[in-house]
Amino acid sequence: GAGVSQSPSNKVTEKGKDVELRCDPISGHTALYWYRQRLGQGLEFLIYFQGNSAPDKSGLPSDRFSAERTGESVSTLTIQRTQQEDSAVYLCASSLGQPNQPQHFGDGTRLSIL
Amino acid sequence: EDQVTQSPEALRLQEGESSSLNCSYTVSGLRGLFWYRQDPGKGPEFLFTLYSAGEEKEKERLKATLTKKESFLHITAPKPEDSATYLCAVRSGTDSWGKLQFGAGTQVVVTP
Repeated sequence: GAGVSQSPSNKVTEKGKDVELRCDPISGHTALYWYRQRLGQGLEFLIYFQGNSAPDKSGLPSDRFSAERTGESVSTLTIQRTQQEDSAVYLCASSLGQPNQPQHFGDGTRLSIL
Repeated sequence: EDQVTQSPEALRLQEGESSSLNCSYTVSGLRGLFWYRQDPGKGPEFLFTLYSAGEEKEKERLKATLTKKESFLHITAPKPEDSATYLCAVRSGTDSWGKLQFGAGTQVVVTP
């Protein structure tokens, strides 16, 4: 079946511009997660949505970062006034709603800030 | 402070040469340790979840074990297709259940 889909796969933008990244989770997955992966490093948790509960935003690095999710479907991660240190791969994952269910990842959006 | 450390950073193996990767952790009340495999340009692929000390999971040439302080991923008689970065992640008892903390990974290269 279809996996987690992210778009665009690559994004190059100028410093100071806003960017919007999209994630389509696996159908039926109520939980959705965003991570950031800098070159050569592990994944850094950003935010997590579960059903209608308030999202866990504890990993968002600054108020320039925000994310939304429409129901149990698409999510968008928005970065305003991008900085060079925002350059990274942004990964989205989804899972069924129980804690013991594994997170399934998309292939990410590679963001480059010039 | 919760911490996840993986070693070695990189590992080069000959085909058939078994080895082990280490993931040591310091977390408040472990509620799951996860192993993922990541190929270049791809998202992580789930391998195993371990919940309690003494637990073991196996899949093909991979076997994961867990103690109270660390986890090992054993690769038995590796093949070139086992080349990847292996990531370890933990879920802490003080965080929401959706939040995983990842180590930096071990890059494994298996040569024919």
